Amino acid sequence: DGGITQSPKYLFRKEGQNVTLSCEQNLNHDAMYWYRQDPGQGLRLIYYSQIVNDFQKGDIAEGYSVSREKKESFPLTVTSAQKNPTAFYLCASSIARDTSGNTIYFGEGSWLTVV
Amino acid sequence: DQQVKQNSPSLSVQEGRISILNCDYTNSMFDYFLWYKKYPAEGPTFLISISSIKDKNEDGRFTVFLNKSAKHLSLHIVPSQPGDSAVYFCAASQNYGGSQGNLIFGKGTKLSVKP
Repeated sequence: DGGITQSPKYLFRKEGQNVTLSCEQNLNHDAMYWYRQDPGQGLRLIYYSQIVNDFQKGDIAEGYSVSREKKESFPLTVTSAQKNPTAFYLCASSIARDTSGNTIYFGEGSWLTVV
Repeated sequence: DQQVKQNSPSLSVQEGRISILNCDYTNSMFDYFLWYKKYPAEGPTFLISISSIKDKNEDGRFTVFLNKSAKHLSLHIVPSQPGDSAVYFCAASQNYGGSQGNLIFGKGTKLSVKP
């Protein structure tokens, strides 16, 4: 079945450590996104990528980094510079970013807790 | 400044009755609107969408209404079922002819449908 797979589902990180969240999609979507959800907040965009080897900062990119070496994969690294990394992280994809009427599909999410 | 607002953090409805979830937006350039449903610790799932050229879109028990002059949209669920209990996110996007397309999310409304 086609879909978006995020791993791990739960992750604990010590302060000062970098951690990478995996996101893979087999939907043949060009665009991929990372969102973050905090209690009482909507989904906020961290980074997005419209095409392989290209990515752009979203609204809250500070303390995060991404890569897009393959169409199917868009890993997110939460660096030690991210001040409040504990959150629920959602990866998403869509056919093409620039198409009006485009629907975004989400993965199951990854819980990151800093201990 | 929030561009997409869901002013009711929660809503409680009796099973079988109508649920009405509201969403307001401030950016008149938004031309596509979506509703997502989210269960705890899962990724949001796409529910229904509407383009700005329409004022109503219906899919089974779910209907979305768009009032462009009021910059307001609403999601109607009828009849409501206990399985509809979830957080509902309103989202909006605009297309600058290729340069945009990012979804802006509201903070969500938690719907509880009581048996």
